Amino acid sequence: SQKIEQNSEALNIQEGKTATLTCNYTNYSPAYLQWYRQDPGRGPVFLLLIRENEKEKRKERLKVTFDTTLKQSLFHITASQPADSATYLCALRNQAGTALIFGKGTTLSVSS
Amino acid sequence: GAVVSQHPSWVICKSGTSVKIECRSLDFQATTMFWYRQFPKQSLMLMATSNEGSKATYEQGVEKDKFLINHASLTLSTLTVTSAHPEDSSFYICSAKDRGGDQPQHFGDGTRLSIL
Repeated sequence: SQKIEQNSEALNIQEGKTATLTCNYTNYSPAYLQWYRQDPGRGPVFLLLIRENEKEKRKERLKVTFDTTLKQSLFHITASQPADSATYLCALRNQAGTALIFGKGTTLSVSS
Repeated sequence: GAVVSQHPSWVICKSGTSVKIECRSLDFQATTMFWYRQFPKQSLMLMATSNEGSKATYEQGVEKDKFLINHASLTLSTLTVTSAHPEDSSFYICSAKDRGGDQPQHFGDGTRLSIL
């Protein structure tokens, strides 16, 4: 069955450093992959979508890569700030192509 | 940007009560809406997918008679948890998607349901 794994539950870094989060998936060949941010007690907020024919996508301090051979996506936040502290979720379409399924997320803590 | 409004944000009620949660897309027409459930420190688990005017498609293991979903219009879907019990306590989040295969899903802010 489809599986999405985000490498670690928690990541702690210092302000100004680059945070790198990993998403691996198995038993699926997605046409695209999405990243969301979730704050405690809130719904996820869409950040970036990257398609299978795109190796890299950027938005301000965010960068996402997508390696369909490795079945992996990397999510980078450069010049991290305490306000970036949140849980980041990787998401793929389910087999039916009708809805998103999510990884467990990585909780990022940026300390000043 | 696309806004999804979910109401109420917090419900506390007695066991056996039925609870209705509303999900509205405010500035776009949502042909498809989704309901997720999230336990603490867990991922979002898809419960069901609903298309406007048709019956919802439930994921395996989700009781359709317990979690009634109605998607009567392009901007409103409701989830009713019938005869709720303490084990139904969770964070329920709705999501809506505009037309187009690779459009992102937009999420409401969730409903924290606590059954005593």
